[in-house]
Amino acid sequence: EAQVTQNPRYLITVTGKKLTVTCSQNMNHEYMSWYRQDPGLGLRQIYYSMNVEVTDKGDVPEGYKVSRKEKRNFPLILESPSPNQTSLYFCASSFERGYQETQYFGPGTRLLVL
Amino acid sequence: EDQVTQSPEALRLQEGESSSLNCSYTVSGLRGLFWYRQDPGKGPEFLFTLYSAGEEKEKERLKATLTKKESFLHITAPKPEDSATYLCAVLYGGATNKLIFGTGTLLAVQP
Repeated sequence: EAQVTQNPRYLITVTGKKLTVTCSQNMNHEYMSWYRQDPGLGLRQIYYSMNVEVTDKGDVPEGYKVSRKEKRNFPLILESPSPNQTSLYFCASSFERGYQETQYFGPGTRLLVL
Repeated sequence: EDQVTQSPEALRLQEGESSSLNCSYTVSGLRGLFWYRQDPGKGPEFLFTLYSAGEEKEKERLKATLTKKESFLHITAPKPEDSATYLCAVLYGGATNKLIFGTGTLLAVQP
């Protein structure tokens, strides 16, 4: 089954404790991205990756890191989480970031930073 | 300012009562407009892509249309299982494509 998986689905942590949210897709997609979704603000892109070893900032990259060492995986790293990073996070993938873009989203990771 | 606005924020319909959701945008160089459905606790699920004014796409009870300034998602004779949040997103720009999501319309269809 074609899908995007994220782990963990729920996470409660404390300020400053490094964490990683994993994302994996099995569709051989080149393009992957991370979004956060907050009430009243919609989905906002954090980082994206056009292919292995190619990453770039989205609209709200501050406080986040990513890496793309393999085509299928795109982890999101919070080196020193803060309460304003409490949010619902989605990973997405598509064949290419271009004219005919159809993104497949993961199930989401709900993060609470105390 | 590049912007995507969805209205209404929330809509309650009776089963069978047709209506439309609106997605208006102010961007330069539209490349595509996307509609997604999002159920509680899940990621958005792709519905349609529209590329140019006048284009229409249909899927079951849903029909999406596009003009130069807005898109409509028409829901004909909705059923309770159509209840969800509907998101639109706009892809625009030249060499550096940008994608903006609207904040969504929460649709509740009562039996």
